[in-house]
Amino acid sequence: DIVMTQTPLSLSVTPGQPASISCKSSQSLLYSDGKTYLYWYLQKPGQPPQLLIYEVSNRFSGVPDRFSGSGSGTDFTLKISRVEAEDVGVYYCMQNIQVPVTFGQGTRLEIK
Amino acid sequence: EVQLVESGGGLIQPGGSLRLSCAASGFTVSSNYMSWVRQAPGKGLEWVSVIYSGGATNYADSVKGRFTISRDNSKNTLYLQMNSLRAEDTAVYYCATNFGYWGQGTLVTVSS
Repeated sequence: DIVMTQTPLSLSVTPGQPASISCKSSQSLLYSDGKTYLYWYLQKPGQPPQLLIYEVSNRFSGVPDRFSGSGSGTDFTLKISRVEAEDVGVYYCMQNIQVPVTFGQGTRLEIK
Repeated sequence: EVQLVESGGGLIQPGGSLRLSCAASGFTVSSNYMSWVRQAPGKGLEWVSVIYSGGATNYADSVKGRFTISRDNSKNTLYLQMNSLRAEDTAVYYCATNFGYWGQGTLVTVSS
């Protein structure tokens, strides 16, 4: 199984400041079709996960442009350029290159 | 508008069975790959099963042989038949389409 490791596990950020979360996979997520199957989710308290980024760097419909994703192979990063109060929750990375689909442990973001 | 509505959760004794449903609207279930993902209380996300547009299925090792994923194209609905339930199956179960859109989840509690 592919292991997804996120760092840090928690983050406390002042509104308006940037934030960054790292996700490392135990195997490359680059598939033979040229796509890299790395996703980022935010789960707000009491809600289901919502997709932020798919295939490393593509923002999902309706996602603010302060969210961006980057990386390749086994190392990936989610960046929030200016954190807002509504960004509070747990962020997960996920790989979908092979089954079992696996998630990172989650990174809890709180506002200072 | 894409909508996914799960139902069928509840309190069940160990060894019992439940069938979860995920009613979809705004898209065609049979044309997409559909997954079940669960989240134990206070824990992270765990992938459970997937059914592809062609009908092939896959399962997490933890549920293989006990859970069955299926769909009813006429009802545009996804199912998860869960047998031989264990305490460790207690979780909120989410259905998702292409991992982009998720339902609100249904809680399954396995306890005597």
